[in-house]
Amino acid sequence: NAGVMQNPRHLVRRRGQEARLRCSPMKGHSHVYWYRQLPEEGLKFMVYLQKENIIDESGMPKERFSAEFPKEGPSILRIQQVVRGDSAAYFCASSAEQGGEAFFGQGTRLTVV
Amino acid sequence: ILNVEQSPQSLHVQEGDSTNFTCSFPSSNFYALHWYRWETAKSPEALFVMTLNGDEKKKGRISATLNTKEGYSYLYIKGSQPEDSATYLCAFIDNYGQNFVFGPGTRLSVLP
Repeated sequence: NAGVMQNPRHLVRRRGQEARLRCSPMKGHSHVYWYRQLPEEGLKFMVYLQKENIIDESGMPKERFSAEFPKEGPSILRIQQVVRGDSAAYFCASSAEQGGEAFFGQGTRLTVV
Repeated sequence: ILNVEQSPQSLHVQEGDSTNFTCSFPSSNFYALHWYRWETAKSPEALFVMTLNGDEKKKGRISATLNTKEGYSYLYIKGSQPEDSATYLCAFIDNYGQNFVFGPGTRLSVLP
């Protein structure tokens, strides 16, 4: 049973481009969480999704950021028109049930140049 | 906005010392409290999932307690080893959105 898979591991984008981060949860997990880690800071909650539903997006900026978790395929975190301040590590985690143990991916390190 | 705090922010101990950290969280609408261990260049890994007031969990030299009425949890490490060096995160899950709100972590360094 593969763990949570995130890709790419590293992503470089120029200002104004779009970044698409993918997260494949563990098999059987229908709950996905996205977090952002800024330099020298902890994990900041962004969005919590279940299959085809956004449950809580209170931590996600209203503009330029969107997330989805379709019926088939990975969860996608999409950042449009990236700016330098978006540079961070983005972690995805999945769990089998609400409030259950979360399993983390290796993260995607986004660098905006 | 849910406020989850951890103290101390960082800690340096000698090998063999025992240590403990604190996680403070809202005392209302509690669903669960998790502890995670995060080593440098790796992903956070779960240590404990705690759901009941008074819970005590143990894994090897590491144990944790939970007080939901007053909103705190303690993590204890007995006889610290250099391999215990990591950041220890707690995560609070409430009854509403049930998303995980992480504390800022306690960074532990165990010196040989």
